[in-house]
Amino acid sequence: KAGVTQTPRYLIKTRGQQVTLSCSPISGHRSVSWYQQTPGQGLQFLFEYFSETQRNKGNFPGRFSGRQFSNSRSEMNVSTLELGDSALYLCASSLMDSGANVLTFGAGSRLTVL
Amino acid sequence: AQSVAQPEDQVNVAEGNPLTVKCTYSVSGNPYLFWYVQYPNRGLQFLLKYITGDNLVKGSYGFEAEFNKSQTSFHLKKPSALVSDSALYFCAVRDDSSASKIIFGSGTRLSIRP
Repeated sequence: KAGVTQTPRYLIKTRGQQVTLSCSPISGHRSVSWYQQTPGQGLQFLFEYFSETQRNKGNFPGRFSGRQFSNSRSEMNVSTLELGDSALYLCASSLMDSGANVLTFGAGSRLTVL
Repeated sequence: AQSVAQPEDQVNVAEGNPLTVKCTYSVSGNPYLFWYVQYPNRGLQFLLKYITGDNLVKGSYGFEAEFNKSQTSFHLKKPSALVSDSALYFCAVRDDSSASKIIFGSGTRLSIRP
């Protein structure tokens, strides 16, 4: 069973550019969540998608957006990049059951903004 | 709002000794608690979770966690540490808005010396 796949693994951008990150969840998982990990702020929740609908959004500016496709694959986009956006972006998928879902994480996309 | 706190940034243990990584929680309603581990350049991996039932939860790689309602704690433990256990450990709690929205603690770096 393939795991959660994130692409690209590493990328370098300059301030003002935009970036799109991709996430392919585990087959059968319909929920996809995104997290930002930085040394200073730790793991912060960005958004969660289920059946192409955003169900939850974290406390991030509107420059951060995402979407989910009918095959459950998800993308997140960051526009007008700032230095502070440099981080490891983690995607996780889960079955949308009640109770306590276990998240399965991808290896992450490491974004460096120069 | 749900939250977890990890009071120790780093824990150092000698190989073969027992280890404890501390976590306290604050929730409204039933606590759904998790432990995840992150190895270098990897995404997070699920270790164990508490939903209800026995206060001692057993997980992967010989880890276990003790749920204590009166102390609102969920400490991670292992009877005998291995050098390979060295990693970053995150305590987490399910948000009350969604089964797939997980709020993570700040993380504790566990270092096992040979």
